[in-house]
Amino acid sequence: EVQLVESGGGLVQPGGSLRLSCVASGFTFSSYTMSWVRQAPGKGPEWVSTISGSGGNIYYADSVKGRFTISRDNSKNTLYLQMNSLRAEDTAVYYCAKCPLAATVFDYWGQGTLVTVSS
Amino acid sequence: QSALTQPASVSGSPGQSITISCTGTSSDVGSYNLVSWFQHHPGKAPKLMIYEGSKRPSGISNRFSGSKSGNTASLTISGLQAEDEADYYCCSYAGSSTFVFGGGTKLTVL
Repeated sequence: EVQLVESGGGLVQPGGSLRLSCVASGFTFSSYTMSWVRQAPGKGPEWVSTISGSGGNIYYADSVKGRFTISRDNSKNTLYLQMNSLRAEDTAVYYCAKCPLAATVFDYWGQGTLVTVSS
Repeated sequence: QSALTQPASVSGSPGQSITISCTGTSSDVGSYNLVSWFQHHPGKAPKLMIYEGSKRPSGISNRFSGSKSGNTASLTISGLQAEDEADYYCCSYAGSSTFVFGGGTKLTVL
């Protein structure tokens, strides 16, 4: 059974940093592209970033480019999102999502971790 | 990219059918047959219901179906059941490994 468990969310001041983690199980982690998707309160989801299985290909939404860094440790079956220069508009539930081999959809999601950016 | 447009809410009685629309542009929904639909019960992980426009993942009821015409995709749920009450989101591949989502539709089963 595929399981994705996010952690690392919390309250942070504007301009601060936070690192999210997502531990994966139930599949061969290194073989699959992984993504982060966020959902601000009362809004629809927003794609944030994607990383290929090897980590060699990385993509970001314009809204986070230059501030967020996605990475993965395949030896630990863990996906990361380093978030710097956080803004109020980054407040959201952050979900880790697995992509199938075609990487054109998100086939499994975690339950998310809440990030609140506020002074 | 702008978000895809969905109705804020739809409702139906048990046993009825409902359809949720998802309107994008020629750069996303219109360009790719890669629209997916997710069911989300608050506090739980979103669940993939439809991918590549009309395909169902293993284990998803055939009461759920998807289609597309031009820049608009649709999710139809037939034989509504109480457990179908949830938020539904569409998502389209938008090229260059980017994705765009809809604003979400709250389905109420009366």
